[in-house]
Amino acid sequence: SQQGEEDPQALSIQEGENATMNCSYKTSINNLQWYRQNSGRGLVHLILIRSNEREKHSGRLRVTLDTSKKSSSLLITASRAADTASYFCATDFQGAQKLVFGQGTRLTINP
Amino acid sequence: EAGVTQFPSHSVIEKGQTVTLRCDPISGHDNLYWYRRVMGKEIKFLLHFVKESKQDESGMPNNRFLAERTGGTYSTLKVQPAELEDSGVYFCASSEFDRDLRGYTFGSGTRLTVV
Repeated sequence: SQQGEEDPQALSIQEGENATMNCSYKTSINNLQWYRQNSGRGLVHLILIRSNEREKHSGRLRVTLDTSKKSSSLLITASRAADTASYFCATDFQGAQKLVFGQGTRLTINP
Repeated sequence: EAGVTQFPSHSVIEKGQTVTLRCDPISGHDNLYWYRRVMGKEIKFLLHFVKESKQDESGMPNNRFLAERTGGTYSTLKVQPAELEDSGVYFCASSEFDRDLRGYTFGSGTRLTVV
């Protein structure tokens, strides 16, 4: 199976703190993407990092990619209550044009 | 631009009935994908259309599922007859290019409950 794994499965922090979520995968990839799902809503694309990139920033988001360890991390700085959601990593792996998702991390930001 | 639209947003049906889900991709997007998340599990790929052709349907669970994209515009996913394990959220996504580095645009999903 090429499915990714994420940890932690659930994370609860105070508003203003930083949140870090990790993702591991098994096969060679073209890129890795992070998505957010607010309760009852669709998946929102957050950021994409290519296999030849090691770090990428977008606003309060920072993504790293370590292809030697087949892992990625998503850091959300200065968290806000509105960041409460489920976060999924998805790999676009070589040889197939489809995304393989991890099980997600449920992030709760406490006011 | 309008996003990916899915309807219905929710559907509750009895086991054995038929349900048809619809997805309208972003206009001009040739690539359309169906994914689903059954309760508590990961989001899994179902199939991929390029225009009206099925490019990859390796994720379709069984022959109770039928996807179509006549004319290369909107797509439907029919489940007939529905079983309890079909319950979950069905997502549709579209992209302009075959490997779009802007990521995929997903719809809000259809929550299907089979009772």
